[in-house]
Amino acid sequence: GEDVEQSLFLSVREGDSSVINCTYTDSSSTYLYWYKQEPGAGLQLLTYIFSNMDMKQDQRLTVLLNKKDKHLSLRIADTQTGDSAIYFCAEKYNQGGKLIFGQGTELSVKP
Amino acid sequence: ETGVTQTPRHLVMGMTNKKSLKCEQHLGHNAMYWYKQSAKKPLELMFVYNFKEQTENNSVPSRFSPECPNSSHLFLHLHTLQPEDSALYLCASSQADRTNTDTQYFGPGTRLTVL
Repeated sequence: GEDVEQSLFLSVREGDSSVINCTYTDSSSTYLYWYKQEPGAGLQLLTYIFSNMDMKQDQRLTVLLNKKDKHLSLRIADTQTGDSAIYFCAEKYNQGGKLIFGQGTELSVKP
Repeated sequence: ETGVTQTPRHLVMGMTNKKSLKCEQHLGHNAMYWYKQSAKKPLELMFVYNFKEQTENNSVPSRFSPECPNSSHLFLHLHTLQPEDSALYLCASSQADRTNTDTQYFGPGTRLTVL
């Protein structure tokens, strides 16, 4: 079946690294995405990784993909208070490209 | 305007009202989506339009009626809603071919409250 799971909360101190984890079930997923949602706003695409890649780096963001374990992570280096938001992992379901979202991880950054 | 816009941003309606949500995308995409985001639940895909044709209806109650007059505009017509329909309704768009879809870009959402 289709299922994406994330832990619900993460709290870090400003300047530390944050690691948000996600597990998924569809081994035939083609793309995996990270979206950010700030309070009262829609989802902002942060980054994505193609399923044949292990890692993707984009400035402060590093995405790691372990296909064997169906595990995806998002690392935010030098986390800032402006990074406080809910982060959603999503897998692109191979049939028709439907996106399956996790419940979101609420990241709280303390000064 | 750039990206994906949605109006209104906030809507309060009674259970007997009829209202419509509007979404417009300025990205040249040809696929559009409606999602429902309720508290403590994952985003739920409601409808997908690909090349203006509805390609997915995720068992959504008939009190929600989508309309896609062209590839840039998407509406969600609402009537006789229930309080449990209160949620954030998100629109998204992507570039799609007939068999698959590309990265989805989201609008800011409409916060709907049903009294």
